[in-house]
Amino acid sequence: EDQVTQSPEALRLQEGESSSLNCSYTVSGLRGLFWYRQDPGKGPEFLFTLYSAGEEKEKERLKATLTKKESFLHITAPKPEDSATYLCAVPSPGGYQKVTFGTGTKLQVIP
Amino acid sequence: DTGVSQDPRHKITKRGQNVTFRCDPISEHNRLYWYRQTLGQGPEFLTYFQNEAQLEKSRLLSDRFSAERPKGSFSTLEIQRTEQGDSAMYLCASSLHRASYNEQFFGPGTRLTVL
Repeated sequence: EDQVTQSPEALRLQEGESSSLNCSYTVSGLRGLFWYRQDPGKGPEFLFTLYSAGEEKEKERLKATLTKKESFLHITAPKPEDSATYLCAVPSPGGYQKVTFGTGTKLQVIP
Repeated sequence: DTGVSQDPRHKITKRGQNVTFRCDPISEHNRLYWYRQTLGQGPEFLTYFQNEAQLEKSRLLSDRFSAERPKGSFSTLEIQRTEQGDSAMYLCASSLHRASYNEQFFGPGTRLTVL
């Protein structure tokens, strides 16, 4: 069964202190990897799709990278408004688009 | 607003009652998904529709749960004889089928509390 593990569970950063979040996965035939941001009491907000190892995507202070076994979400010079839970997810093989999510990393950026 | 909408946003019910939630997907999206999320966990897949056809259901979806998507537009998720363990956030997402993988866009969720 597909497994997605995120680390750390929680991360507290000072404003401007760059860091990375990790998402490791075990799937039979990776068909892409998603990153989402989720604010408390809201639905996940789509950030990135990575399709193949070596791919990178950027959005403002966020940069997502993908290897054959894991993905990283790099946060450069974070601001308090970046505080949220960041979720990664992988689709299952077979074509029916079932997605398995990790438990997320709760990021807190302190002014 | 052209995003995914869900109604109600919050529902409090007593154990044993039936509840129904509605999801309106992004208008051009032909795929619709239901997820359940409990505190501290990621969303867990429940079921998936392509147009009006329900193509996959999770083992998490017991006989008390039923979902429909008449005419391939909005969807409803009904929970019969609710239990306290059903308390969770119920999320709906939609996507547009393409040749490559398609991203899922989520609604704000319905928070269910079973007393």
